[in-house]
Amino acid sequence: DGGITQSPKYLFRKEGQNVTLSCEQNLNHDAMYWYRQDPGQGLRLIYYSQIVNDFQKGDIAEGYSVSREKKESFPLTVTSAQKNPTAFYLCASSSGTAHDNYGYTFGSGTRLTVV
Amino acid sequence: GNSVTQMEGPVTLSEEAFLTINCTYTATGYPSLFWYVQYPGEGLQLLLKATKADDKGSNKGFEATYRKETTSFHLEKGSVQVSDSAVYFCALKPNFGNEKLTFGTGTRLTIIP
Repeated sequence: DGGITQSPKYLFRKEGQNVTLSCEQNLNHDAMYWYRQDPGQGLRLIYYSQIVNDFQKGDIAEGYSVSREKKESFPLTVTSAQKNPTAFYLCASSSGTAHDNYGYTFGSGTRLTVV
Repeated sequence: GNSVTQMEGPVTLSEEAFLTINCTYTATGYPSLFWYVQYPGEGLQLLLKATKADDKGSNKGFEATYRKETTSFHLEKGSVQVSDSAVYFCALKPNFGNEKLTFGTGTRLTIIP
């Protein structure tokens, strides 16, 4: 079955460490997205990529970095520059075409906690 | 710019009650409209969608009608169950370019037995 996989489900980070969250999709989607969700809050866009080897900053990119070397993969690195990284991180993908009415497919999320 | 305004939560209902979660939008042209559901500790799942005016999306007993005249896409269910407890997000996607989805802030729904 096609889908989008995030790993790990739970991640713990020490102060000053970088950590990388994995996101892989086998839907042949061109576009991929990273969102952050804080408790009781909505979604905030961190980064998105509409094609391989290209990505753009979202609303809260500071302290995060991404790469898009393969169509299937869009890893997110939470750097030590991110002062408050504890949150639930969601990855999503879409075909990215103008006439696509299917919206996004989401992964099951990674919960990151700073210890 | 595009925006989605959702009814603020949390919403608490008794089992078998009627549910309405309001959603209005601002957008250029004729966007596609979506409702997503997020169960505790999980990602978002597409619940239903509508792509043009007067379309009705439906799934799992939930319905929403695309009302262009009132720029609304209210979510309704005639008889809610405890298993419907979740966070519900309204979203829009412009039908041109490669525009991203614009999400509402989400409405937390709790159903009491």
